[in-house]
Amino acid sequence: NAGVTQTPKFRILKIGQSMTLQCAQDMNHNYMYWYRQDPGMGLKLIYYSVGAGITDKGEVPNGYNVSRSTTEDFPLRLELAAPSQTSVYFCASTQHGTGSTYEQYFGPGTRLTVT
Amino acid sequence: GQQVMQIPQYQHVQEGEDFTTYCNSSTTLSNIQWYKQRPGGHPVFLIQLVKSGEVKKQKRLTFQFGEAKKNSSLHITATQTTDVGTYFCAGRSTGNQFYFGTGTSLTVIP
Repeated sequence: NAGVTQTPKFRILKIGQSMTLQCAQDMNHNYMYWYRQDPGMGLKLIYYSVGAGITDKGEVPNGYNVSRSTTEDFPLRLELAAPSQTSVYFCASTQHGTGSTYEQYFGPGTRLTVT
Repeated sequence: GQQVMQIPQYQHVQEGEDFTTYCNSSTTLSNIQWYKQRPGGHPVFLIQLVKSGEVKKQKRLTFQFGEAKKNSSLHITATQTTDVGTYFCAGRSTGNQFYFGTGTSLTVIP
């Protein structure tokens, strides 16, 4: 199993550009999450999904959009990139259900710079 | 909104010394998780605590969940250079979101 994969690993965007961060998991997990981590800080939840076709906002959703058309994929869309979106983005997945430990499996991250 | 605070932010220890990080929530938690993130890496799950007063051990690591389920701690005995990294707690009260603490960055001096 590849676990949680993310692409790209690095990206530099100009202000106002748009891009999609890709995330995929092959563990058949029902829950998926997008976090951002600013330097020296913890992780802030952007959006999450409890299953295909269902998404919900986290703590810091402004400037982002998500979709979940399949169990495996959970892309994050940045529209009109701003310098405040410079961060490391982590995708994670977990299996919720009876007996679950709710362990979140994280991808390797995407380091995004907006200039 | 829910807040999870973690102290200290940084800790430097000599190899062989003990280390403790503390996590405090503004609300009662249903469960709390601990993660370790190596420099340049991604968070890796260590453990989950669910019961009031629960204590769990993993080799040199001891995890505690407070009686009121609003605080937790991670204690490492006799640190080693392989313990270097940032340790995060993540708490969940109700709903589907885990709120991460700001993390404690551990440096171990050989």
